[in-house]
Amino acid sequence: QKEVEQDPGPLSVPEGAIVSLNCTYSNSAFQYFMWYRQYSRKGPELLMYTYSSGNKEDGRFTAQVDKSSKYISLFIRDSQPSDSATYLCAISRISGNTPLVFGKGTRLSVIA
Amino acid sequence: SQTIHQWPATLVQPVGSPLSLECTVEGTSNPNLYWYRQAAGRGLQLLFYSVGIGQISSEVPQNLSASRPQDRQFILSSKKLLLSDSGFYLCAWGTATIYFGEGSWLTVV
Repeated sequence: QKEVEQDPGPLSVPEGAIVSLNCTYSNSAFQYFMWYRQYSRKGPELLMYTYSSGNKEDGRFTAQVDKSSKYISLFIRDSQPSDSATYLCAISRISGNTPLVFGKGTRLSVIA
Repeated sequence: SQTIHQWPATLVQPVGSPLSLECTVEGTSNPNLYWYRQAAGRGLQLLFYSVGIGQISSEVPQNLSASRPQDRQFILSSKKLLLSDSGFYLCAWGTATIYFGEGSWLTVV
């Protein structure tokens, strides 16, 4: 079983829709959870970061972690064409010297 | 604030030629440094990471190597490139969270 699984999509939604992106992970040792956004031909940028179960909100973005189910989600409200990108989840252990584990990314297109 | 610089941004190299990609981080000391590769349509593949000068961990056996000659400098090298080395190479720094550079597009022809 892979350490983190992410549906690659592609996912296409109309402008204004609520988008749900998800990842599952297999090891309960993972304690930090991140979402990155990657525009075409650019490096990934850190979008959100959390280390606890529950929700964390930042503008139109909400990161949700359910450690009991080993399930993480990113919700985008009122999606915009500028949100069109690939979204990667990433998880890491408490030990800072252990590299992050990335999902393969979900390609999102928001159609105007 | 911390910044990461990576160069060159784009390069086209013939098969069998050498490679050198450089990455430097500013605004922090003793960062963990990483080299990733992202092939077309595929996820991020961790190639090397370093927790200090001269300390390099290799994740994937291949014809690439990495070096860390200074605290905030990370270099990715190859003596002879293969066609399969084409891809998008990303340098990153950080610990629990990491921050990426803009990447280097390598096409081996």
